[in-house]
Amino acid sequence: AQSVTQLGSHVSVSEGALVLLRCNYSSSVPPYLFWYVQYPNQGLQLLLKYTSAATLVKGINGFEAEFKKSETSFHLTKPSAHMSDAAEYFCAVSPSGGYNKLIFGAGTRLAVHP
Amino acid sequence: DADVTQTPRNRITKTGKRIMLECSQTKGHDRMYWYRQDPGLGLRLIYYSFDVKDINKGEISDGYSVSRQAQAKFSLSLESAIPNQTALYFCATSRPSGTYNEQFFGPGTRLTVL
Repeated sequence: AQSVTQLGSHVSVSEGALVLLRCNYSSSVPPYLFWYVQYPNQGLQLLLKYTSAATLVKGINGFEAEFKKSETSFHLTKPSAHMSDAAEYFCAVSPSGGYNKLIFGAGTRLAVHP
Repeated sequence: DADVTQTPRNRITKTGKRIMLECSQTKGHDRMYWYRQDPGLGLRLIYYSFDVKDINKGEISDGYSVSRQAQAKFSLSLESAIPNQTALYFCATSRPSGTYNEQFFGPGTRLTVL
């Protein structure tokens, strides 16, 4: 069965600092992986996705994530945090090779302070 | 123009009442989903539908029912609401399998059951 673990329910960084949000997955087959962002009072918006092409995936708003099969990880990074990055971030996994459900992690709330 | 809309956006109701949450989409997607979001638990799948005649239970379907009235409409009902169904509810859509199962979310309905 697939599962997703996001380490750290809350992460706080200073404006301009590196953002690192951790995601580890378990999957019996090669997965597709996603990061979604939820801004206050809004739905989820796709940041980026891994679909077995390049292992380093670039998304919107300067975010990127690297798929590491040996570590079963898909951590999200941004070199320099902006105040507007404050939101909740969800990692999700879906096995490849046909339909299945998206399995979401519990989420990480990112706070950015001046 | 919102591609996935949900009504109502906020609802307060009492224990035992019947509630219907509605979702409409203009994306032309066949697949639709209902999730609930609870703090610290991420998103959990309630029901999903591949097309009008194909409806499936998710991981937490007890106490809920759905109706797929048309390709573009997918409603979630709570037959007799209880306080632990207080949550944020999201509708989502996706294209058929083979397109990574990327899902597109509505803005959410905040439901409070007193």
